[in-house]
Amino acid sequence: GAGVSQSPRYKVAKRGQDVALRCDPISGHVSLFWYQQALGQGPEFLTYFQNEAQLDKSGLPSDRFFAERPEGSVSTLKIQRTQQEDSAVYLCASSLPQGVDNEQFFGPGTRLTVL
Amino acid sequence: GENVEQHPSTLSVQEGDSAVIKCTYSDSASNYFPWYKQELGKRPQLIIDIRSNVGEKKDQRIAVTLNKTAKHFSLHITETQPEDSAVYFCAASLGYSTLTFGKGTMLLVSP
Repeated sequence: GAGVSQSPRYKVAKRGQDVALRCDPISGHVSLFWYQQALGQGPEFLTYFQNEAQLDKSGLPSDRFFAERPEGSVSTLKIQRTQQEDSAVYLCASSLPQGVDNEQFFGPGTRLTVL
Repeated sequence: GENVEQHPSTLSVQEGDSAVIKCTYSDSASNYFPWYKQELGKRPQLIIDIRSNVGEKKDQRIAVTLNKTAKHFSLHITETQPEDSAVYFCAASLGYSTLTFGKGTMLLVSP
């Protein structure tokens, strides 16, 4: 009965470092979403997977951001050469396939601070 | 793309009062409208949602209304309690997929 989990919960990086953020969705959830939530703002869409296929990456802010889900389960969001403006909470959400149930279940997020 | 506006940004009420949060959306094709509650430092959690074929939905003290013609939807909380204090986000989506969120409303319920 585990929910969506994310690791690490907190990450401090020096500007220019690469970081990798992990998401473990609910078992059986084929849809997986990444969102970025800046302080005091609502989550903003980054990218969407259905199984291992990345169907939408229109929200990724630059080519420094890369996401993968190679086996259709765990997903990793990678940020290369981090910048201060990348500081935010990165939320992962999973759901059943479209048309089955719409609720997106969120993980606790990874708070990234870039110094 | 979709744009969601949410008002007010902060809302203070006394315990027992009602609270109303309003959202508008821009894409008339959007067909799914969830509301999430996020406590400080915690994950967003779905509290209620509505689909475009329904005008109103209620779950105990919480209700949501949808006006497709005007492209707006609202969250109503009755008999507020201190534990209702949190940030509330509305969202809209097309095809039951990617969510576009409003900027959030911080609700403070004073005892």
